[in-house]
Amino acid sequence: GQQLNQSPQSMFIQEGEDVSMNCTSSSIFNTWLWYKQDPGEGPVLLIALYKAGELTSNGRLTAQFGTTRKDSFLNISASIPSDVGIYFCAVRLSGTYKYIFGTGTRLKVLA
Amino acid sequence: DARVTQTPRDKVTEMGQEVTMRCQPILGHNTVFWYRQTMMQGLELLAYFRNRAPLDDSGMPKDRFSAEMPDATLATLKIQPSEPRDSAVYFCASAPGRVLGAFFGQGTRLTVV
Repeated sequence: GQQLNQSPQSMFIQEGEDVSMNCTSSSIFNTWLWYKQDPGEGPVLLIALYKAGELTSNGRLTAQFGTTRKDSFLNISASIPSDVGIYFCAVRLSGTYKYIFGTGTRLKVLA
Repeated sequence: DARVTQTPRDKVTEMGQEVTMRCQPILGHNTVFWYRQTMMQGLELLAYFRNRAPLDDSGMPKDRFSAEMPDATLATLKIQPSEPRDSAVYFCASAPGRVLGAFFGQGTRLTVV
């Protein structure tokens, strides 16, 4: 089945640093989403992307829908301790209402 | 503050027992999902409903799992009989008709011993 691969799997960064992560697929998708999951909680939607090439921001977060429609990128600027968590990309399968999720990037911020 | 509500938050049960997890989707959301999260498999879609009708349950082991939506405010996921390999966090999520994205509950952490 479809698989979304996220890179890196995990990362430690210093507070104040910028963070970049990506999500790739062997298939084309028309919508991409980014979620964050805090410990003990469900994933929370951060950004939804609707159009190839689109760049969308939500505070310190910026996400891009890749022009090939097979990837997406998430950047976090000036990281803070509360950015700790697991970041998931997700896509909606064409012709369905199903969302599938990537493997996740675990972010740890060192104060 | 609209949110998906799941009960119970935690459940420990013995192998062979029946487990029922409940979900109240966000009012007005017409698509409801059940996901399972484990370290090994990540977030897997088990089943989903649209306007209370089951659309896809291909991710679910059919011999022991069942999912229903008795009404628009309640979705249930039942495991009978439960097995240790069912230990995971089970999430319910709901989505509105036209807006992109699913909204998750806090999950039910199931431990089968």
